[in-house]
Amino acid sequence: DAGVTQSPTHLIKTRGQQVTLRCSPKSGHDTVSWYQQALGQGPQFIFQYYEEEERQRGNFPDRFSGHQFPNYSSELNVNALLLGDSALYLCASSFTSGRGIGGEAFFGQGTRLTVV
Amino acid sequence: KQEVTQIPAALSVPEGENLVLNCSFTDSAIYNLQWFRQDPGKGLTSLLLIQSSQREQTSGRLNASLDKSSGRSTLYIAASQPGDSATYLCAAASGGGADGLTFGKGTHLIIQP
Repeated sequence: DAGVTQSPTHLIKTRGQQVTLRCSPKSGHDTVSWYQQALGQGPQFIFQYYEEEERQRGNFPDRFSGHQFPNYSSELNVNALLLGDSALYLCASSFTSGRGIGGEAFFGQGTRLTVV
Repeated sequence: KQEVTQIPAALSVPEGENLVLNCSFTDSAIYNLQWFRQDPGKGLTSLLLIQSSQREQTSGRLNASLDKSSGRSTLYIAASQPGDSATYLCAAASGGGADGLTFGKGTHLIIQP
């Protein structure tokens, strides 16, 4: 089991550009959540995808969007990049029970995004 | 809105000591709490998961407790080793998990050889 995998590991983009980050969940997991972690801070919840729909969203602008595919993998898209978007982006996967309750979250190694 | 606080922000102790990391949360309506370890520039490694109905969980030298009524969790590390040096994060899950995890800022732990 490869666990949660994210790509790319590092990325440098110019202000105003768009970026797409990718995540493959742990085997058996159907739910993917994305987090942004600034240096020295705890991760902040961006949104969660379940059954190919955005289930919940944190306090992030519409420039942040996502998608979940039928194989449960997910993408995070960020448009009109700002310098402040520079951070470690983490993907977490979990299994959601039939009652809609999420299980233990497992994280990938993250994508380090630098906006210049 | 859930808020999670971790104390202390940083801790440096000699090898072999037992230590306690603290985590507090403002909304007791959580359904689980997780402790994670993060090495510099890396992702998060899950250490322990405590369901809301549980009081504690143990894994090797690690023991985590949960007191929902007081909004507190502690992570106890026995016989610390230099390899335990990392940032430790606690995260509370609310809303059945759909609300995502709310994290503290972490405790940066250094174990001196």
